[in-house]
Amino acid sequence: GENVEQHPSTLSVQEGDSAVIKCTYSDSASNYFPWYKQELGKGPQLIIDIRSNVGEKKDQRIAVTLNKTAKHFSLHITETQPEDSAVYFCAASTGNTPLVFGKGTRLSVIA
Amino acid sequence: DTGVSQNPRHKITKRGQNVTFRCDPISEHNRLYWYRQTLGQGPEFLTYFQNEAQLEKSRLLSDRFSAERPKGSFSTLEIQRTEQGDSAMYLCASSFQGLGANVLTFGAGSRLTVL
Repeated sequence: GENVEQHPSTLSVQEGDSAVIKCTYSDSASNYFPWYKQELGKGPQLIIDIRSNVGEKKDQRIAVTLNKTAKHFSLHITETQPEDSAVYFCAASTGNTPLVFGKGTRLSVIA
Repeated sequence: DTGVSQNPRHKITKRGQNVTFRCDPISEHNRLYWYRQTLGQGPEFLTYFQNEAQLEKSRLLSDRFSAERPKGSFSTLEIQRTEQGDSAMYLCASSFQGLGANVLTFGAGSRLTVL
């Protein structure tokens, strides 16, 4: 089955700097790659996703890149703000199978 | 629609007791998922339904766990004879599985503490 590895497990950045979180996946049939943000006491919330027919997607300060050959995808957050502090999860799916999640990255944005 | 609703939000029980969690999905969503999340880990898949049919169960779902989704609406997850290792956050999510990939909307979760 699918296996998703996520790095780093913790990340601290200064406010205004960029943050990058990387994930690798094992199943070459996976074609859907979402990113979720989880704040304390809340469930994960979808922030951006990418499908295998595109290499990059951007939404304001957030972007995701996908390299299908290398089987890795990354989340980029620019101009970080204190409210970006949370745990971020990547996930992968073939589209018709349940999402498999990485172990998460705790992002701390220091004001 | 207020999103995915889970109850209770927190349950404390003694080892050996049975517990039941309820999930009310977004009304137009036909798929409903249960995930388990332990401290410092990502959500782990337990089981999912399409309408009232339970389509897949993870090997994590031992025979002490049972999930139902009568009439394809709300779902319940029951854990019998709870063990301390069952302590976790139980997350419910729903999606509309038409063409394309799963776009899951999660509830806030039900936290189980087994003493």
